[in-house]
Amino acid sequence: EVQLVESGGGLVQPGRSLKLSCVASGFTFSNYGMNWIRQAPGKGLEWVAYISSGSSYIYYAETVKGRFTISRDNAKNTLYLQMTSLRSEDTALYYCARSNMGGDYWGQGVMVTVSS
Amino acid sequence: DIVMTQAPLSVSVTPGESASISCRSSKSLLHSNGITYVYWYLQKPGKSPQLLIYRMSNLASGVPDRFSGSGSETDFTLKISRVEAEDVGIYYCGQLLENPYTFGAGTKLELK
Repeated sequence: EVQLVESGGGLVQPGRSLKLSCVASGFTFSNYGMNWIRQAPGKGLEWVAYISSGSSYIYYAETVKGRFTISRDNAKNTLYLQMTSLRSEDTALYYCARSNMGGDYWGQGVMVTVSS
Repeated sequence: DIVMTQAPLSVSVTPGESASISCRSSKSLLHSNGITYVYWYLQKPGKSPQLLIYRMSNLASGVPDRFSGSGSETDFTLKISRVEAEDVGIYYCGQLLENPYTFGAGTKLELK
């Protein structure tokens, strides 16, 4: 069974950093590109970042470019999102999603709240 | 960025009847390889989004065939025939033709 389990969220002050993790199981993680997608409270979906299977291709939304870094460790079946210089508008539920067919599996999400 | 515009923002449907949701893109989503990179997702209350339709008209694994997707280069439709209680939620269209990937604002489906 394919599973994606996010962790690392929480309450953080503006300007601080946080690192999210997404542990994958039930499939060969190293064969798939992965995405981070977020959803602000009561709002729609916003794509954040993509990383290809071998980390050769990485893309970011303009709203996070220069502040967030997506990475992966295929040996640990884990996807990461390093978030720095956090702003109140980064407050959201962050999902990791497998890139196959446009997102055939999503995690349950991890909440990040940026507030003083 | 490609803008995805959904309509209506909400729809109320009698169980057993059909429903259609429209999505329009600000740019053609038809790639030169012949694939149209529009996708449909359903987010049930309190749950993560799930993929329904990929590449405009392909049913994702495990999705009932009551769901179907169609369209052209910029205008797309998700049709749900014989709506059931489990279909309640917010439907999103999305484009994966180019970065940044973008989504529509969502259409909330409720039962009458």
